[in-house]
Amino acid sequence: NAGVTQTPKFQVLKTGQSMTLQCAQDMNHNSMYWYRQDPGMGLRLIYYSASEGTTDKGEVPNGYNVSRLNKREFSLRLESAAPSQTSVYFCASNAGTASYEQYFGPGTRLTVT
Amino acid sequence: GDSVTQMEGPVTLSEEAFLTINCTYTATGYPSLFWYVQYPGEGLQLLLKATKADDKGSNKGFEATYRKETTSFHLEKGSVQVSDSAVYFCALSGGGSNYKLTFGKGTLLTVNP
Repeated sequence: NAGVTQTPKFQVLKTGQSMTLQCAQDMNHNSMYWYRQDPGMGLRLIYYSASEGTTDKGEVPNGYNVSRLNKREFSLRLESAAPSQTSVYFCASNAGTASYEQYFGPGTRLTVT
Repeated sequence: GDSVTQMEGPVTLSEEAFLTINCTYTATGYPSLFWYVQYPGEGLQLLLKATKADDKGSNKGFEATYRKETTSFHLEKGSVQVSDSAVYFCALSGGGSNYKLTFGKGTLLTVNP
């Protein structure tokens, strides 16, 4: 059982370049989330999708866009990368039930120079 | 809004020492509470959870009790091992249909042999 998968694992971008981070889950979960993790800041929610066909902003959405392609896949796009977006990005999913437990992917380490 | 405050790290202990990591929260309503663990280079894994007042979550020798009167969910373990070295995150879900989690900033635990 793969759970939540993310690609790529590592990426280096130059300022102004664009890229898309991919996330997929095979647990038939309704809700999916993108977080960024920075030293001393914990995890901060970028965007989430409570169900297929819906997306909403989280705490730090500026500079990002998302697409809920289908129930399995939720991608995060950086249109014009900035050094402030250097971070580790985690995707997570949740069944959308009262248990509220989220399952996390292994993360993407992004460096913007 | 919802918030989680956990003790600042890093915490360094010797093997077999007693561990406490404090966590307090602010939330409206009746949140569910979680402890997640992140081992080096990996994503977050659920360690334990509690969904109502006075519930005790436990796993792998770790315990935490949901204390509504003190709005706390402190993590404890009676005898830590080197393999417990990781970052620990306290989190809450305030409910609602989006099932979002609010995280504390994390506490780095290092256990020395």
